[in-house]
Amino acid sequence: GAVVSQHPSRVICKSGTSVKIECRSLDFQATTMFWYRQFPKKSLMLMATSNEGSKATYEQGVEKDKFLINHASLTLSTLTVTSAHPEDSSFYICSASGTSGDQETQYFGPGTRLLVL
Amino acid sequence: QKEVEQNSGPLSVPEGAIASLNCTYSDRVSQSFFWYRQYSGKSPELIMSIYSNGDKEDGRFTAQLNKASQYVSLLIRDSQPSDSATYLCAVRPTGGYNKLIFGAGTRLAVHP
Repeated sequence: GAVVSQHPSRVICKSGTSVKIECRSLDFQATTMFWYRQFPKKSLMLMATSNEGSKATYEQGVEKDKFLINHASLTLSTLTVTSAHPEDSSFYICSASGTSGDQETQYFGPGTRLLVL
Repeated sequence: QKEVEQNSGPLSVPEGAIASLNCTYSDRVSQSFFWYRQYSGKSPELIMSIYSNGDKEDGRFTAQLNKASQYVSLLIRDSQPSDSATYLCAVRPTGGYNKLIFGAGTRLAVHP
């Protein structure tokens, strides 16, 4: 149980385009989903927290207009990187917590590697 | 002061030995603690959670929590080369949304 998927696993895009990343909980209802980014050899940086049906809560320093998060259902959240630039290239990872196991545990998706040219 | 601190390592141990990974946290009233393992290029995977003072064992892994000292550790018995990874300590601070604060991780290298 507690499987979280992400799509795509890898994406290359041109500077100025937008990229959408999907995060799905496959076998449980995710009342809360989290989006992280991670640079090489660095720790996870929480970008935002989203609850189903509510606006996302962004961490300090994260531009909400650049990183659009939608949590439309209990199994799906999306992160859209708008007008991507090379400095947005990173490893984006979602996690979910909810009805699987204890409700505090976060289960991570496999991540999406974004490269902006 | 960082909220969750870990020694970055690398911690090098021989195969079969016990690896001891340590973590300290600053929020005295934190109640929930987690250990994740992250292989290079992959996302974190949960090893175990611990909520009460004392030890919690799961197979070769033992988590130890001491809230008075604000300290949580992970012991890996009979370390294997496949245990070589970065181990992330995470603490749930008081407040909403179940968000976790992660340490920077300790890189473990188990050599044959």
